[in-house]
Amino acid sequence: AQSVTQLGSHVSVSEGALVLLRCNYSSSVPPYLFWYVQYPNQGLQLLLKYTTGATLVKGINGFEAEFKKSETSFHLTKPSAHMSDAAEYFCALSSGSARQLTFGSGTQLTVLP
Amino acid sequence: KAGVTQTPRYLIKTRGQQVTLSCSPISGHRSVSWYQQTPGQGLQFLFEYFSETQRNKGNFPGRFSGRQFSNSRSEMNVSTLELGDSALYLCASSTATSGGPDTQYFGPGTRLTVL
Repeated sequence: AQSVTQLGSHVSVSEGALVLLRCNYSSSVPPYLFWYVQYPNQGLQLLLKYTTGATLVKGINGFEAEFKKSETSFHLTKPSAHMSDAAEYFCALSSGSARQLTFGSGTQLTVLP
Repeated sequence: KAGVTQTPRYLIKTRGQQVTLSCSPISGHRSVSWYQQTPGQGLQFLFEYFSETQRNKGNFPGRFSGRQFSNSRSEMNVSTLELGDSALYLCASSTATSGGPDTQYFGPGTRLTVL
């Protein structure tokens, strides 16, 4: 069975500060990992993904994530938070022959002025 | 290229009724998946359709069903609605060019409220 754990359901940072959203996964086969962002009353927008190859992946809006197999982690970072980054962020996993995504419970990011 | 579209965006139904939601995938995408999002259970996989066939199904009762048409458009149906079916229903599409994991792109969702 596969699973995704997001540590911290709510994270608050000051504008301009580092954003770090944590994601750990469990999978018996090599996973594909994704970060999605959801703004109020909207669907999910893909931020970035890891499939194979380079373990540091860059996404949209200045976000990046590093796949660490030894730590089974895929944490999302952004060097400097902007007010527009306030949203809910979901880490997701897909593996094996299944295309379905298994999601973490989400992290609500608040950016303080 | 146009994104995933879902209709309607908002829906209000009463208990016992049935509802049909529609999803049009990105052009060229052959796989459509449906997810239910609720505050209590989070994002849960309902089912995936590929080439008009249900390929995978999540752990939901038989009241939840779906289908896919030859143009890859998909519908999901919920019969005998219950209060707990109130949720945001998200559709996602992917190219499904390989037999394994794929990048899914989501639509804006349909907000279903059951009274």
